[in-house]
Amino acid sequence: QKEVEQDPGPLSVPEGAIVSLNCTYSNSAFQYFMWYRQYSRKGPELLMYTYSSGNKEDGRFTAQVDKSSKYISLFIRDSQPSDSATYLCAMFWGNNNDMRFGAGTRLTVKP
Amino acid sequence: DTGVSQDPRHKITKRGQNVTFRCDPISEHNRLYWYRQTLGQGPEFLTYFQNEAQLEKSRLLSDRFSAERPKGSFSTLEIQRTEQGDSAMYLCASTPPSTDTQYFGPGTRLTVL
Repeated sequence: QKEVEQDPGPLSVPEGAIVSLNCTYSNSAFQYFMWYRQYSRKGPELLMYTYSSGNKEDGRFTAQVDKSSKYISLFIRDSQPSDSATYLCAMFWGNNNDMRFGAGTRLTVKP
Repeated sequence: DTGVSQDPRHKITKRGQNVTFRCDPISEHNRLYWYRQTLGQGPEFLTYFQNEAQLEKSRLLSDRFSAERPKGSFSTLEIQRTEQGDSAMYLCASTPPSTDTQYFGPGTRLTVL
């Protein structure tokens, strides 16, 4: 079993839809959680960073962490075609020297 | 552009050849990381530098791989006697002091024929 599980998709939604992306993890030591967006043939770009259970909102993006269930989510409201990318969850424990990534979910938002 | 830069962006080589990649982190970022990413997978940690010291290496980093950061600024990753299984995107990231945010470069895509 991988430490971080993420459904690779692909996920296709119409423009304006609410998108829900999820990851589960097995290591209860993980304390810090991130979501990255990666466009094709580009490096990952940090979207959200949180370290506590609960919700964190930034514009159209909401990150949700449930440490008791070892489950994290990223919600995208009013999705746009420019949101079409691969979304990677990532997490680490004491320091970020050994960050673990999910496999990424490929999202397409259709106009 | 003051982001992390990597060179070259693409490299095609024949099996058995040596290749070297370069990463220039964001100015004053003291920590630097190398990752490998294969198609359909997330990045996998390879190694980490704090300033010029290589502090951690993954088991993925075989003896054919070596990384340096001689002056605590840019870093190089060398792969000797490349194998087809080395074909991947090699990503570099850097972090400023007192934060955990990693800023990634665009990556070097390696194809070993």
